[in-house]
Amino acid sequence: QVTLRESGPALVKPTQTLTLTCTFSGFSLSTSGMCVSWIRQPPGKALEWLARIDWDDDKYYSTSLRTRLTISKDTSKNQVVLTMTNMDPVDTATYYCTRVVPAAMHDYWGQGTLVTVSS
Amino acid sequence: DIQMTQSPSSLSASVGDRVTITCRASQSISKYLNWYQQKPGKAPKVLIFAASSLQSGVPSRFSGSGSGTDFTLTISSLQPEDFAIYYCQQSFSPPWTFGQGTKVEIK
Repeated sequence: QVTLRESGPALVKPTQTLTLTCTFSGFSLSTSGMCVSWIRQPPGKALEWLARIDWDDDKYYSTSLRTRLTISKDTSKNQVVLTMTNMDPVDTATYYCTRVVPAAMHDYWGQGTLVTVSS
Repeated sequence: DIQMTQSPSSLSASVGDRVTITCRASQSISKYLNWYQQKPGKAPKVLIFAASSLQSGVPSRFSGSGSGTDFTLTISSLQPEDFAIYYCQQSFSPPWTFGQGTKVEIK
């Protein structure tokens, strides 16, 4: 059974760095073809793809956010970490981690974690 | 980046209606197109991948078609549990962008 769970602070201050952890089970990121992505959704708005890390450690980032994002993995712990620097109130959103399989399909999603950026 | 544009942004329909949602890519993406359904307060769920392949467990009233730049998601007979927001997403090249969503509401 595949599960993913996001964890991290619910509230961050402007200019701070956000660190989110995705802890997953039911698959291994050392398996060829497996990937984990982060996607966010501001309240009442559309989904926005942020970043992806692949089994071979290839990394991909949103064009508009690439200077602020870093994605990494700890295969032994079944975790993927996303950091986003210089947080702003417009970054307030629910952040999801997802498993990605060939065809770049997000077939399993975490429940999401709401991050509010406010002083 | 490849831009994904959905239409309409919202629609009202009745149970039993046939519903069609369209998604247009800013460049050709072959058949690299996925569809997701999101209900309030829940994470999205994949319905269709590779433009027309039904994800396991998804009812057969959902279908997808298209290739190149134009795609459609069709619900053949709308059910009460289908009222939700639907998103398309291109899986052709990074960054793997989403459409802005189509909200299906009860008439």
